[in-house]
Amino acid sequence: EPEVTQTPSHQVTQMGQEVILRCVPISNHLYFYWYRQILGQKVEFLVSFYNNEISEKSEIFDDQFSVERPDGSNFTLKIRSTKLEDSAMYFCASSEVATTDTQYFGPGTRLTVL
Amino acid sequence: QKEVEQNSGPLSVPEGAIASLNCTYSDRGSQSFFWYRQYSGKSPELIMFIYSNGDKEDGRFTAQLNKASQYVSLLIRDSQPSDSATYLCAVNPGNQFYFGTGTSLTVIP
Repeated sequence: EPEVTQTPSHQVTQMGQEVILRCVPISNHLYFYWYRQILGQKVEFLVSFYNNEISEKSEIFDDQFSVERPDGSNFTLKIRSTKLEDSAMYFCASSEVATTDTQYFGPGTRLTVL
Repeated sequence: QKEVEQNSGPLSVPEGAIASLNCTYSDRGSQSFFWYRQYSGKSPELIMFIYSNGDKEDGRFTAQLNKASQYVSLLIRDSQPSDSATYLCAVNPGNQFYFGTGTSLTVIP
């Protein structure tokens, strides 16, 4: 069964460093998303991406964040200068048709900022 | 601010009982509604989605939607210990998912 994959599973970085989280969405899906979940808190939407551009972003997704689809399979989230409060689980998701469609989540990347 | 509210629990039911999970949402324009299950340290896993008022059944799970009351629920029949997890309600008004904080369910053998 097709699934969303994410790498790395765990990333440890120093405050102020740049990190890139990688995702491979399900191959025939057209919409891609990033979410984060701070430990013990709810899943929060960051950004949605369609047709090589951002279609929606939340107020969390500030200038420190960027997304890219560098090739036909990968979808990346870059955090330019990490802060302690960026420590969270980051989930990539994809959906086939539209943003109202079922979203399938990857296993997540746990980001720890020291 | 679009809100999705869930009772945080914990909810404990004995094995074989019916577990009832509830969710309310604030945006009347919401079009699609989802229940995800999340085990500790894992990603959300889709259980069911529902778009229309009424009930939708899938195996032991039944989702119920009442748009007039802005209410969606999930019933789990014949609860099993493996159903012990946090259940997330997600609502999509058309552009992104809004998740509730989740309800922790424990099924006691």
